[in-house]
Amino acid sequence: EAQVTQNPRYLITVTGKKLTVTCSQNMNHEYMSWYRQDPGLGLRQIYYSMNVEVTDKGDVPEGYKVSRKEKRNFPLILESPSPNQTSLYFCASSLSGGSGGTQYFGPGTRLTVL
Amino acid sequence: ILNVEQSPQSLHVQEGDSTNFTCSFPSSNFYALHWYRWETAKSPEALFVMTLNGDEKKKGRISATLNTKEGYSYLYIKGSQPEDSATYLCAHTQGGSEKLVFGKGTKLTVNP
Repeated sequence: EAQVTQNPRYLITVTGKKLTVTCSQNMNHEYMSWYRQDPGLGLRQIYYSMNVEVTDKGDVPEGYKVSRKEKRNFPLILESPSPNQTSLYFCASSLSGGSGGTQYFGPGTRLTVL
Repeated sequence: ILNVEQSPQSLHVQEGDSTNFTCSFPSSNFYALHWYRWETAKSPEALFVMTLNGDEKKKGRISATLNTKEGYSYLYIKGSQPEDSATYLCAHTQGGSEKLVFGKGTKLTVNP
């Protein structure tokens, strides 16, 4: 089944404890991106990747890192999480056309930073 | 318009009503306009991606139009059903950028 998977789905952590949220797609998509969803603010793009080893900042990249060592995986790294990173996170991918292609979203990761 | 703006923010209609909402975006250097449907506790699902001025797309009772010169898109739902209740998101990207900028969405509630 074609899908985007994220792990974990739920995470409660403490300030400063490094964490990684994994994202994987099995559709051979080139474009992958991370978004955060906060009440009243809509979906905001954190980072995106056009292909392996090609990443770039979205609108809210501060406090996050990403890597794209393999085409299928695009992990989101929070080196030192803070409470303002409490949010619902979505990973998405698209086949071609970069941001012009249909985005397929993962199930979301709800992160709480205490 | 620098950002993507959607209106109204929320909308309540009765079953059977037809409705529409608006997405406004920067008209310069247009590349693509997306519409997504987002049900509570689920992930956003694609409805349409439109790239050409004057594009009209349809999926069942839902259709969308695009005006890139003036920077707006309309989403129409004909004969709304309770299962149409969701937040409808539009997203825009400009040529030369791979960023995707989303609006805050229109939350539609269809009352039986």
